Amino acid sequence: EDQVTQSPEALRLQEGESSSLNCSYTVSGLRGLFWYRQDPGKGPEFLFTLYSAGEEKEKERLKATLTKKESFLHITAPKPEDSATYLCAVLTTDSWGKLQFGAGTQVVVTP
Amino acid sequence: DAGVTQSPTHLIKTRGQHVTLRCSPISGHKSVSWYQQVLGQGPQFIFQYYEKEERGRGNFPDRFSARQFPNYSSELNVNALLLGDSALYLCASSPLLAGATYEQYFGPGTRLTVT
Repeated sequence: EDQVTQSPEALRLQEGESSSLNCSYTVSGLRGLFWYRQDPGKGPEFLFTLYSAGEEKEKERLKATLTKKESFLHITAPKPEDSATYLCAVLTTDSWGKLQFGAGTQVVVTP
Repeated sequence: DAGVTQSPTHLIKTRGQHVTLRCSPISGHKSVSWYQQVLGQGPQFIFQYYEKEERGRGNFPDRFSARQFPNYSSELNVNALLLGDSALYLCASSPLLAGATYEQYFGPGTRLTVT
């Protein structure tokens, strides 16, 4: 059975304190891995897609990496506006549109 | 360009009632997917429609149904509402172009409360 697990569940950071979020997955075949940011009461905001092991993508203070078993979202020198829940999702090769999400990591960045 | 739009924003219904949620995808996107998100959890896949045909169905009871219209907008219908149907319902659209990307872009969601 396909599984997506995110850790930690919650993360509290001081402004400027870099850290990493983990998304481990067990799937029969990976079509793509997606990272989203979600603010309370709003829809997820697309951040990155990673398609193959070794791939990396960057956007401002965020960098996503992918291996054959897990993905990391690195937050470098975070600011309070980076506070959100970060969701990881996988799309398997037997589907075009069924994203399977982890439970998310809630990140709080304090000044 | 406008993003994915959903209506209504909030909805309060009583157990046993029926509800219809609406979604308009990003212009040019032909695929729409529906998700249910309960507080503290990641979204759970309900349906995917592409070119007006159902292309995927999640593990939800038959009380849940959906359809896609010729303009690619979509409706999600839920019959015989239960308290456990209270959640944020999310619609996502995707271009699903051959050989290209599979990104899904989400709308703001409809918050459904069943009392």
